[in-house]
Amino acid sequence: AQKVTQAQTEISVVEKEDVTLDCVYETRDTTYYLFWYKQPPSGELVFLIRRNSFDEQNEISGRYSWNFQKSTSSFNFTITASQVVDSAVYFCALSEGGGSTLGRLYFGRGTQLTVWP
Amino acid sequence: DADVTQTPRNRITKTGKRIMLECSQTKGHDRMYWYRQDPGLGLRLIYYSFDVKDINKGEISDGYSVSRQAQAKFSLSLESAIPNQTALYFCATSDSGGAFYGYTFGSGTRLTVV
Repeated sequence: AQKVTQAQTEISVVEKEDVTLDCVYETRDTTYYLFWYKQPPSGELVFLIRRNSFDEQNEISGRYSWNFQKSTSSFNFTITASQVVDSAVYFCALSEGGGSTLGRLYFGRGTQLTVWP
Repeated sequence: DADVTQTPRNRITKTGKRIMLECSQTKGHDRMYWYRQDPGLGLRLIYYSFDVKDINKGEISDGYSVSRQAQAKFSLSLESAIPNQTALYFCATSDSGGAFYGYTFGSGTRLTVV
């Protein structure tokens, strides 16, 4: 079973629209970490955010915001006023456990976001 | 120089050939990983190493082998390449401290097996 599910394979929006990328995770551990990465067309993986399981505060960074809800095992990512440069594949990822098991990242399948001018 | 360097960046090889992808890092991290990315499948773990003497299989290790030559070097080999190993390969590193801050990724190796 997938530990990280990104149900949206592709999303297309027009510039300045808001868009939310969904991420649902599955773990039995109480200590875990969640991440979002961006992969622009050039192919490199760019770190966006890290959140640990004990910190449910939502976070905002410029046009980006993240909504972490343990009750629904979701860690959704919203881009406000999208821009063409936001076009990329976005990956949600989970690392679970502590100590020696910590470190393996499980990735979702990614959401391809296309922002049209 | 990049913190995590993968060589080559691009490679085309023929079916049945042996090929090695190399990864070196200057982060001083103990842990290193090899992932494979296929369109629509995300990144899947091939092998990982938590220190020089520790090698572990990931989800999709069949057809691959690895060597951790030193703390800073972790190589991935395809003993006999096949077309369905055509993919984008990423090496990554992480610290072994108490908290986990995620990976430092290399720039990727685009491998095509014809």
